[in-house]
Amino acid sequence: GAVVSQHPSRVICKSGTSVKIECRSLDFQATTMFWYRQFPKKSLMLMATSNEGSKATYEQGVEKDKFLINHASLTLSTLTVTSAHPEDSSFYICSASRDPRYQPQHFGDGTRLSIL
Amino acid sequence: AQSVTQLGSHVSVSEGALVLLRCNYSSSVPPYLFWYVQYPNQGLQLLLKYTSAATLVKGINGFEAEFKKSETSFHLTKPSAHMSDAAEYFCAVSVMYSSASKIIFGSGTRLSIRP
Repeated sequence: GAVVSQHPSRVICKSGTSVKIECRSLDFQATTMFWYRQFPKKSLMLMATSNEGSKATYEQGVEKDKFLINHASLTLSTLTVTSAHPEDSSFYICSASRDPRYQPQHFGDGTRLSIL
Repeated sequence: AQSVTQLGSHVSVSEGALVLLRCNYSSSVPPYLFWYVQYPNQGLQLLLKYTSAATLVKGINGFEAEFKKSETSFHLTKPSAHMSDAAEYFCAVSVMYSSASKIIFGSGTRLSIRP
């Protein structure tokens, strides 16, 4: 079946640094990928839709200058948390679909980000 | 606007008992509905999906869900719970926009299994 790989699985860094998270679709081309954020014991909140070759579409309330998304190829999208602060600590999950018009989406295993 | 509501943030059943996790949806068009499972510190795994074909949908690990339009429900069931079923379960609806669709998740239900 389809596999989405997310890296790193866990990262701990100091406040003020930038952190890049990668999301790869391993056996299919994904023109659209999605980035979610999950707070402890909470549901997934869609942050943005990553579109290959164009700008990402951000959900209301998500700072696009804070969470930079790049979708440079059909198999890779990256999320960069810039100048990270402790409140950015969270579980970030990406997903991708073979055809963006349809579901289901396939999810990565998530990245646990901890900002000290 | 499409949305899903999961009733009960925590459900606890005994091993071998029936599992019932409730989900109600709101949609102005025929929805695509999903159930996902999440184990601790992992991503989401698709259990099953409804895409306007059969109303009773069978998924992995013995789970199934029934789409009931009259009740706007899509409850998840399993006849006999296993300890390995303990996890977080999310009901979700697919929302079409532009040339793509995005998923809106319910708040989740944590399933605990008592020995």
